Amino acid sequence: KQEVTQIPAALSVPEGENLVLNCSFTDSAIYNLQWFRQDPGKGLTSLLLIQSSQREQTSGRLNASLDKSSGRSTLYIAASQPGDSATYLCAVPPGTGTASKLTFGTGTRLQVTL
Amino acid sequence: GAGVSQSPSNKVTEKGKDVELRCDPISGHTALYWYRQSLGQGLEFLIYFQGNSAPDKSGLPSDRFSAERTGGSVSTLTIQRTQQEDSAVYLCASNGLAGVTGELFFGEGSRLTVL
Repeated sequence: KQEVTQIPAALSVPEGENLVLNCSFTDSAIYNLQWFRQDPGKGLTSLLLIQSSQREQTSGRLNASLDKSSGRSTLYIAASQPGDSATYLCAVPPGTGTASKLTFGTGTRLQVTL
Repeated sequence: GAGVSQSPSNKVTEKGKDVELRCDPISGHTALYWYRQSLGQGLEFLIYFQGNSAPDKSGLPSDRFSAERTGGSVSTLTIQRTQQEDSAVYLCASNGLAGVTGELFFGEGSRLTVL
């Protein structure tokens, strides 16, 4: 059974700081890994999708890396802004079985202060 | 549509009543998923549709839960005889890849409160 862990559970940083969010998973035979953002009371917004053959993906100030062999991914946020405040979730499909059944981490709640 | 649309956004019901939650996926997306997010919990997979078929409904918590999809588009999640533990946000997602997860696009969710 795939298990996903995100560390830290919560993080508060001053505006402008660079930060790293961590995601680890137990079954490394994955198709891809996806990072999402969730604002309070809202649905999930896809940030980055990394295919298993890729090492990293970049979108603006966001960079996600994937190390399948060690079962880890990181989301790097450069020059953080108050608008980045949200919960960040990573999700992976199972190593075997139905690829549709994503397993989500419990998220990292980020607060960027002025 | 431009995004995944869910209705109602909020639903308050009494214990024992039936509720229906609707999801309208992104136009052309063949795969549709329902997830549940309970207070303080992670997202829990419920059911996956490919077209109108549901090859994986292993996440439905009990036989009070059912879902259908018609015309390869709109899906309805029905909860019969609601219980207080059914209170949660029900999220729908879609993508365009058959069988293999690609990028998932989520709706805003339907918040269900069972009194």
